[in-house]
Amino acid sequence: GAVVSQHPSRVICKSGTSVKIECRSLDFQATTMFWYRQFPKQSLMLMATSNEGSKATYEQGVEKDKFLINHASLTLSTLTVTSAHPEDSSFYICSARSGTSGGSDTQYFGPGTRLTVL
Amino acid sequence: DAKTTQPTSMDCAEGRAANLPCNHSTISGNEYVYWYRQIHSQGPQYIIHGLKNNETNEMASLIITEDRKSSTLILPHATLRDTAVYYCIVRPFYGNKLVFGAGTILRVKS
Repeated sequence: GAVVSQHPSRVICKSGTSVKIECRSLDFQATTMFWYRQFPKQSLMLMATSNEGSKATYEQGVEKDKFLINHASLTLSTLTVTSAHPEDSSFYICSARSGTSGGSDTQYFGPGTRLTVL
Repeated sequence: DAKTTQPTSMDCAEGRAANLPCNHSTISGNEYVYWYRQIHSQGPQYIIHGLKNNETNEMASLIITEDRKSSTLILPHATLRDTAVYYCIVRPFYGNKLVFGAGTILRVKS
């Protein structure tokens, strides 16, 4: 299957600082990328959907000014957690979909980023 | 998007087939059935998907009932590394997002 990478895999930061997480599709062009969050012992929760070159669409209850998403190219999307607080500590996972017509429209997921806010 | 119902957990002996059921009784005609799994502290891994016909790949087989209201994921020879949470998700082929439920915790035991 296609490969999606995330960086960093793990980050620890102080409360009030901002953290940027990168998501890259390594062997395909991702017209759409998704950001999920997963708390311990819970399922994945979709935060937002982004299409290359346009503003992200956020799910209900997700603060767009706190979780800034940029999808500037077909292979890179970034999630910035601004003014992070301990309750933002979570496992953040991105996924990417090629959206190529006539072929698989499967979403492939990155390995995740473990964010710990002290 | 149609909702799915899966058992909370299942056990399977190593080397035996693991059959994971999924109920999607409200599935509509243009919705596909997707299966992913998540091993602890990793991102979900795509397994297989299908619309009407049964599907097989190197990882698993997907059996969809004729009325499409339920499906079964089959791992033919389960190994300890198959221990994971398995998610059954339905969405339109060009639908915009995957919505994850609680999934089934599969424990493969030696």
